[in-house]
Amino acid sequence: QQQVKQSPQSLIVQKGGISIINCAYENTAFDYFPWYQQFPGKGPALLIAIRPDVSEKKEGRFTISFNKSAKQFSLHIMDSQPGDSATYFCAAETGTASKLTFGTGTRLQVTL
Amino acid sequence: DTAVSQTPKYLVTQMGNDKSIKCEQNLGHDTMYWYKQDSKKFLKIMFSYNNKELIINETVPNRFSPKSPDKAHLNLHINSLELGDSAVYFCASRYSGGATGELFFGEGSRLTVL
Repeated sequence: QQQVKQSPQSLIVQKGGISIINCAYENTAFDYFPWYQQFPGKGPALLIAIRPDVSEKKEGRFTISFNKSAKQFSLHIMDSQPGDSATYFCAAETGTASKLTFGTGTRLQVTL
Repeated sequence: DTAVSQTPKYLVTQMGNDKSIKCEQNLGHDTMYWYKQDSKKFLKIMFSYNNKELIINETVPNRFSPKSPDKAHLNLHINSLELGDSAVYFCASRYSGGATGELFFGEGSRLTVL
């Protein structure tokens, strides 16, 4: 059972454009929603995270938008750069589970 | 200094063999994990240890056996390797204090079973 559904599977964006990746979850007990970034040959690394008490969190060019009623959250990358080309994973967790459930990943390619 | 280090980085072996992957973290974390990433990049949790105690054991064949000699180390032993075991295995760690925390991953161990 896929508890966190992520789309699209892959995304090509021109340099300077906006990249948008969407995730939907089923478990209403989830209370922590991070995004991880993975470069080829490396392990995933935390990019940005949000809790459901806020609807948006921004860190530099990266923004998470969160819609609790729709059980959806998304990552927006403004002014996308070739260096942003990587695989992005959304994830979700409950405070007591100690287990991060990942989405299926989105491979982002930013072209010149 | 590498925060979460895994060895070896690459393993190539024949079906039926046994292999081990070692993981060490120097972050002072009390919780460690093994994740499996398949060819489609899907990340699936396998095991988690907190202070040497097994706390998460997902539906994983019992050919996979984790061992945590202390809270800084988590090893994974795989018996009777099968073709479907080919994947990248990631070790990760974090501090369990507080509700949630950042997960720090190693660079992965790519296992190829021929």
